[in-house]
Amino acid sequence: VMTQSPATLSVSPGDRATLSCRASQSVSNNLAWYQQKPGQTPRLLIYGASTRATGIPARFSGSGSGTEFTLTVSSLQSEDFAVYYCQQYNDWPLTFGQGTRLEIK
Amino acid sequence: EVQLVESGGGLVKPGGSLRLSCVVSGFTFNTYTVNWVRQAPGKGLEWVSSISSSGYYIFYADSVQGRFTVSRDNAKNSLYLEMNSLRVEDTAVYYCARETLGVVRTFDIWGQGTMVTVSS
Repeated sequence: VMTQSPATLSVSPGDRATLSCRASQSVSNNLAWYQQKPGQTPRLLIYGASTRATGIPARFSGSGSGTEFTLTVSSLQSEDFAVYYCQQYNDWPLTFGQGTRLEIK
Repeated sequence: EVQLVESGGGLVKPGGSLRLSCVVSGFTFNTYTVNWVRQAPGKGLEWVSSISSSGYYIFYADSVQGRFTVSRDNAKNSLYLEMNSLRVEDTAVYYCARETLGVVRTFDIWGQGTMVTVSS
């Protein structure tokens, strides 16, 4: 089970946002993060816990291993306000967290 | 341009069946694992099924095991999801998603989705 916290995070543009994801058992570094904006499909941001996917800005960074993971968005831009999901791909079944909504403060 | 286009969604009664299709273009379909991921209205993402490039390896979420069947036709660049014994809780947008090249079991390209509504 993947558990994300908080459910909603209110942050001002230009500030830093830190999102958490916890796995009920170790997933090593087989952890991905996705961003989903309203009415859009998810976009892969991070894989391998810390590697940015192609075309993802450097303000997005991931860290962690085992059971505790963090997605950090530094200097939030208006386009970063969205829902973020973590996903473990260490084993079947593949599972997502319930999501964190990042909203403008 | 890489594209995945789903179709086949609609309204069906509990216990009914539906077959979803996903036609892809812009990449070599027969070299990629492809997946179905669903999202209930206002809810999060749920992985449903994966099928390897040859169709040999197939995996399902526990919630659909025994009711859903995934298949592919590489000659037609198409992915399918046969859904039987549908339940109200299967109501969702169903996305087909391509596995990320070099990063197994993650998803880099998604279709726009097709809505499945199970209701009496």
